[in-house]
Amino acid sequence: NAGVTQTPKFQVLKTGQSMTLQCAQDMNHNSMYWYRQDPGMGLRLIYYSASEGTTDKGEVPNGYNVSRLNKREFSLRLESAAPSQTSVYFCASSDKLSWNTQYFGPGTRLTVL
Amino acid sequence: AQSVTQPDIHITVSEGASLELRCNYSYGATPYLFWYVQSPGQGLQLLLKYFSGDTLVQGIKGFEAEFKRSQSSFNLRKPSVHWSDAAEYFCAVGRQSGTASKLTFGTGTRLQVTL
Repeated sequence: NAGVTQTPKFQVLKTGQSMTLQCAQDMNHNSMYWYRQDPGMGLRLIYYSASEGTTDKGEVPNGYNVSRLNKREFSLRLESAAPSQTSVYFCASSDKLSWNTQYFGPGTRLTVL
Repeated sequence: AQSVTQPDIHITVSEGASLELRCNYSYGATPYLFWYVQSPGQGLQLLLKYFSGDTLVQGIKGFEAEFKRSQSSFNLRKPSVHWSDAAEYFCAVGRQSGTASKLTFGTGTRLQVTL
C-alpha cells in the first residue's frame, strides 16, 4: 500500500517549456488535491477534484491545468512554465470515510530557469 | 474566510525539554483542525486531528494538542522532545466543500532540537 505517489521527484525546466506532474493514490479516495509550497508561505491549494470527473480551482490556479484521469490519478500541467512557478508541489487525497483527512505524497521539486 | 496563524517561525529547544507550538485559527463554525509534520525533503505526515468531542487529542510520536474554542487555539505539545522531532510543523484548519475538504495552512514553525 504505497499511499500517494508523485512523479517526478525533481525537474528543471526552462521558461516557456511545458510539463505534467503525475499523482496517483491507492487508498480508493474520492478527492484529490494539488498544492504548492513556497518558503514562508505554507501550502497553497492550486486545484482540487472532489470526485472523479470534477475539478475546481483553489487559491492559486493561474498558469496551471489539471486532469482527473480516473479515480486513482490526478495530474497537474504547466503549459508554459515561468520562474514564479519554481516551487515544491504536493499532491494529496482524502475521503469522507476518513473524515476528510488529507494524506500527502512526497512532493516534486520544480525549478524553472 | 478561514485563516491560520502560527506566530513562531522558529523555535529551539533542548532534547528532553517540553515543547508547545502555537496555532490560532479564524473560522465561523466548528473547525476541523490538523497538525502535520514535515521532515526536510519529505512530504507532510499527519500528527493528529480534531473534529469534535474531547478537546484534548492524542497523536503519533507522543504529541498531543488541545482545542480551546474560547481562545481560537489548537496548540501542539510534547512533554519531552527527542532530537528526531526536529522538523517543520504546520497547523491547518479545514472545512467541508461538497464531498471534498479544503485546508488552509499556517506558514509553519521550524523546530530545532539541541543536544
